[in-house]
Amino acid sequence: DAKTTQPNSMESNEEEPVHLPCNHSTISGTDYIHWYRQLPSQGPEYVIHGLTSNVNNRMASLAIAEDRKSSTLILHRATLRDAAVYYCILRSNTGNQFYFGTGTSLTVIP
Amino acid sequence: GAGVSQTPSNKVTEKGKYVELRCDPISGHTALYWYRQSLGQGPEFLIYFQGTGAADDSGLPNDRFFAVRPEGSVSTLKIQRTERGDSAVYLCASSRDPFGEQFFGPGTRLTVL
Repeated sequence: DAKTTQPNSMESNEEEPVHLPCNHSTISGTDYIHWYRQLPSQGPEYVIHGLTSNVNNRMASLAIAEDRKSSTLILHRATLRDAAVYYCILRSNTGNQFYFGTGTSLTVIP
Repeated sequence: GAGVSQTPSNKVTEKGKYVELRCDPISGHTALYWYRQSLGQGPEFLIYFQGTGAADDSGLPNDRFFAVRPEGSVSTLKIQRTERGDSAVYLCASSRDPFGEQFFGPGTRLTVL
Protein backbone atom coordinates (compact mmCIF):
# COMPACT_ATOMS: atom_id res chain seq x y z
CA ASP A 1 0.00 0.00 0.00
CA ALA A 2 1.12 3.54 -0.72
CA LYS A 3 2.19 5.65 2.25
CA THR A 4 1.17 9.09 3.46
CA THR A 5 3.05 12.06 4.94
CA GLN A 6 1.48 14.38 7.51
CA PRO A 7 2.84 17.12 9.78
CA ASN A 8 3.48 15.85 13.30
CA SER A 9 1.41 18.54 14.98
CA MET A 10 -0.80 21.55 14.34
CA GLU A 11 -2.59 24.12 16.45
CA SER A 12 -5.86 25.89 15.89
CA ASN A 13 -7.91 28.42 17.76
CA GLU A 14 -11.34 27.34 18.89
CA GLU A 15 -14.13 28.09 16.38
CA GLU A 16 -11.62 28.69 13.60
CA PRO A 17 -11.38 26.45 10.50
CA VAL A 18 -8.60 23.87 10.44
CA HIS A 19 -6.92 22.49 7.33
CA LEU A 20 -5.01 19.26 7.92
CA PRO A 21 -2.77 18.36 4.96
CA CYS A 22 -1.70 14.94 3.74
CA ASN A 23 0.72 14.07 0.97
CA HIS A 24 0.40 10.77 -0.85
CA SER A 25 2.54 11.13 -3.95
CA THR A 26 2.63 7.37 -4.69
CA ILE A 27 -1.14 6.91 -4.61
CA SER A 28 -2.50 4.51 -7.20
CA GLY A 29 -5.68 4.89 -9.18
CA THR A 30 -7.58 2.41 -7.01
CA ASP A 31 -6.54 3.82 -3.61
CA TYR A 32 -9.23 5.45 -1.50
CA ILE A 33 -8.21 8.25 0.89
CA HIS A 34 -9.50 7.66 4.42
CA TRP A 35 -9.27 9.88 7.49
CA TYR A 36 -9.64 8.62 11.02
CA ARG A 37 -9.05 10.42 14.29
CA GLN A 38 -8.10 9.19 17.72
CA LEU A 39 -9.11 11.04 20.83
CA PRO A 40 -7.00 10.52 23.96
CA SER A 41 -7.38 7.05 25.48
CA GLN A 42 -9.85 5.93 22.81
CA GLY A 43 -9.76 3.80 19.70
CA PRO A 44 -9.68 5.57 16.33
CA GLU A 45 -12.96 6.72 14.80
CA TYR A 46 -13.90 7.22 11.17
CA VAL A 47 -14.05 10.78 9.88
CA ILE A 48 -14.43 10.71 6.11
CA HIS A 49 -13.17 9.08 2.93
CA GLY A 50 -13.07 9.77 -0.79
CA LEU A 51 -11.63 8.69 -4.11
CA THR A 52 -11.48 11.62 -6.54
CA SER A 53 -14.19 14.14 -5.77
CA ASN A 54 -14.37 16.38 -2.73
CA VAL A 55 -16.57 14.97 0.02
CA ASN A 56 -18.61 16.53 2.79
CA ASN A 57 -20.24 15.01 5.84
CA ARG A 58 -21.44 16.21 9.20
CA MET A 59 -17.97 16.00 10.71
CA ALA A 60 -15.70 17.44 8.05
CA SER A 61 -14.90 18.03 4.40
CA LEU A 62 -12.25 16.30 2.33
CA ALA A 63 -10.59 18.22 -0.47
CA ILE A 64 -8.66 16.04 -2.93
CA ALA A 65 -6.12 17.54 -5.31
CA GLU A 66 -6.77 17.06 -9.00
CA ASP A 67 -3.70 14.81 -9.37
CA ARG A 68 -4.69 13.01 -6.13
CA LYS A 69 -1.17 13.32 -4.76
CA SER A 70 -2.41 15.27 -1.77
CA SER A 71 -5.57 15.89 0.19
CA THR A 72 -6.77 18.17 2.97
CA LEU A 73 -9.14 17.42 5.81
CA ILE A 74 -11.14 20.51 6.71
CA LEU A 75 -12.79 21.03 10.07
CA HIS A 76 -15.01 24.04 9.54
CA ARG A 77 -15.13 25.23 13.17
CA ALA A 78 -12.71 23.59 15.55
CA THR A 79 -14.00 22.77 19.00
CA LEU A 80 -12.09 21.57 22.03
CA ARG A 81 -13.53 18.11 21.39
CA ASP A 82 -11.73 18.01 18.05
CA ALA A 83 -8.35 17.80 19.78
CA ALA A 84 -7.06 14.43 18.61
CA VAL A 85 -4.53 12.69 16.40
CA TYR A 86 -5.74 12.70 12.79
CA TYR A 87 -4.63 9.90 10.49
CA CYS A 88 -4.64 10.02 6.70
CA ILE A 89 -4.71 6.50 5.25
CA LEU A 90 -4.68 5.06 1.76
CA ARG A 91 -6.64 1.92 1.15
CA SER A 92 -6.51 -0.11 -2.01
CA ASN A 93 -9.73 -1.70 -3.24
CA THR A 94 -7.81 -4.98 -3.27
CA GLY A 95 -6.27 -4.75 0.18
CA ASN A 96 -7.57 -4.92 3.68
CA GLN A 97 -4.73 -3.35 5.61
CA PHE A 98 -4.76 0.14 7.00
CA TYR A 99 -1.35 1.82 7.40
CA PHE A 100 -1.93 4.55 9.96
CA GLY A 101 1.45 6.25 10.13
CA THR A 102 2.01 8.66 13.03
CA GLY A 103 -0.72 11.16 12.13
CA THR A 104 -1.10 14.85 13.01
CA SER A 105 -1.72 15.79 16.62
CA LEU A 106 -4.20 18.67 16.61
CA THR A 107 -4.29 21.04 19.57
CA VAL A 108 -7.28 23.35 19.86
CA ILE A 109 -6.65 26.52 21.83
CA PRO A 110 -9.60 28.02 23.72
CA GLY B 1 -26.60 -0.50 19.63
CA ALA B 2 -23.50 -1.82 21.31
CA GLY B 3 -20.15 -0.97 19.84
CA VAL B 4 -17.02 -3.09 19.70
CA SER B 5 -16.01 -4.30 23.14
CA GLN B 6 -12.68 -5.64 24.29
CA THR B 7 -11.76 -7.51 27.44
CA PRO B 8 -9.89 -7.13 29.62
CA SER B 9 -9.31 -3.39 29.47
CA ASN B 10 -5.96 -3.85 31.19
CA LYS B 11 -3.75 -6.90 31.48
CA VAL B 12 -0.50 -7.12 33.42
CA THR B 13 1.53 -10.27 32.99
CA GLU B 14 5.04 -11.52 33.53
CA LYS B 15 7.58 -12.21 30.84
CA GLY B 16 7.14 -15.70 29.46
CA LYS B 17 3.45 -16.04 30.31
CA TYR B 18 0.57 -16.73 27.92
CA VAL B 19 -2.23 -14.18 27.43
CA GLU B 20 -5.55 -14.08 25.61
CA LEU B 21 -7.26 -10.87 24.55
CA ARG B 22 -10.92 -10.94 23.54
CA CYS B 23 -12.84 -8.85 21.01
CA ASP B 24 -16.63 -8.73 20.61
CA PRO B 25 -17.43 -7.05 17.28
CA ILE B 26 -20.60 -5.26 16.35
CA SER B 27 -23.32 -7.81 15.60
CA GLY B 28 -23.52 -8.64 11.91
CA HIS B 29 -20.09 -7.27 11.03
CA THR B 30 -18.29 -9.84 8.91
CA ALA B 31 -14.86 -8.20 8.91
CA LEU B 32 -12.69 -8.04 12.03
CA TYR B 33 -9.24 -6.51 12.47
CA TRP B 34 -6.57 -6.56 15.17
CA TYR B 35 -4.05 -3.76 15.56
CA ARG B 36 -1.27 -3.01 18.01
CA GLN B 37 -0.43 0.52 19.12
CA SER B 38 2.77 1.48 20.92
CA LEU B 39 3.14 4.77 22.74
CA GLY B 40 3.35 7.70 20.36
CA GLN B 41 2.75 5.58 17.28
CA GLY B 42 -0.23 4.97 15.06
CA PRO B 43 -2.00 1.61 15.14
CA GLU B 44 -0.09 -1.19 13.40
CA PHE B 45 -2.07 -3.80 11.47
CA LEU B 46 -1.79 -7.37 12.76
CA ILE B 47 -4.49 -9.56 11.21
CA TYR B 48 -7.79 -9.38 9.33
CA PHE B 49 -10.67 -11.88 9.43
CA GLN B 50 -13.45 -12.18 6.91
CA GLY B 51 -15.98 -14.44 8.59
CA THR B 52 -14.19 -17.27 10.35
CA GLY B 53 -11.04 -17.29 8.27
CA ALA B 54 -7.93 -15.18 8.60
CA ALA B 55 -7.84 -13.48 5.21
CA ASP B 56 -4.59 -11.62 5.93
CA ASP B 57 -2.25 -12.37 8.84
CA SER B 58 0.81 -10.70 7.35
CA GLY B 59 1.04 -8.21 10.21
CA LEU B 60 1.56 -10.76 12.96
CA PRO B 61 5.13 -10.12 14.15
CA ASN B 62 6.13 -13.76 14.78
CA ASP B 63 4.75 -17.20 15.56
CA ARG B 64 4.13 -16.33 19.21
CA PHE B 65 1.06 -14.41 18.03
CA PHE B 66 -2.07 -16.21 16.90
CA ALA B 67 -5.71 -15.21 16.52
CA VAL B 68 -8.94 -17.12 16.03
CA ARG B 69 -12.53 -16.34 15.21
CA PRO B 70 -14.18 -19.79 15.28
CA GLU B 71 -17.82 -18.76 14.79
CA GLY B 72 -17.31 -15.63 12.76
CA SER B 73 -18.12 -13.31 15.64
CA VAL B 74 -15.95 -13.12 18.78
CA SER B 75 -12.20 -13.17 18.19
CA THR B 76 -9.34 -13.99 20.53
CA LEU B 77 -5.78 -12.80 20.08
CA LYS B 78 -3.34 -15.19 21.75
CA ILE B 79 0.23 -14.36 22.66
CA GLN B 80 2.60 -17.08 23.85
CA ARG B 81 5.80 -16.59 25.84
CA THR B 82 5.18 -12.86 26.21
CA GLU B 83 8.12 -10.46 26.00
CA ARG B 84 8.48 -6.94 27.37
CA GLY B 85 8.38 -5.65 23.81
CA ASP B 86 4.83 -6.96 23.46
CA SER B 87 3.63 -4.23 25.85
CA ALA B 88 1.19 -2.05 23.91
CA VAL B 89 -2.48 -1.28 23.44
CA TYR B 90 -4.16 -3.96 21.35
CA LEU B 91 -7.06 -2.60 19.32
CA CYS B 92 -9.84 -4.51 17.64
CA ALA B 93 -12.09 -3.13 14.90
CA SER B 94 -14.99 -4.50 12.91
CA SER B 95 -16.77 -3.45 9.75
CA ARG B 96 -19.95 -4.51 7.98
CA ASP B 97 -17.97 -5.59 4.94
CA PRO B 98 -14.28 -5.65 3.97
CA PHE B 99 -14.20 -2.10 2.64
CA GLY B 100 -16.59 -0.40 5.02
CA GLU B 101 -15.96 2.03 7.84
CA GLN B 102 -14.06 0.39 10.68
CA PHE B 103 -15.46 0.71 14.19
CA PHE B 104 -12.82 0.42 16.88
CA GLY B 105 -13.03 -0.88 20.41
CA PRO B 106 -11.40 0.89 23.36
CA GLY B 107 -8.43 -1.45 23.32
CA THR B 108 -6.68 -3.71 25.81
CA ARG B 109 -3.58 -2.29 27.45
CA LEU B 110 -1.08 -5.12 27.83
CA THR B 111 1.88 -4.66 30.15
CA VAL B 112 4.57 -7.33 30.28
CA LEU B 113 6.81 -7.02 33.33
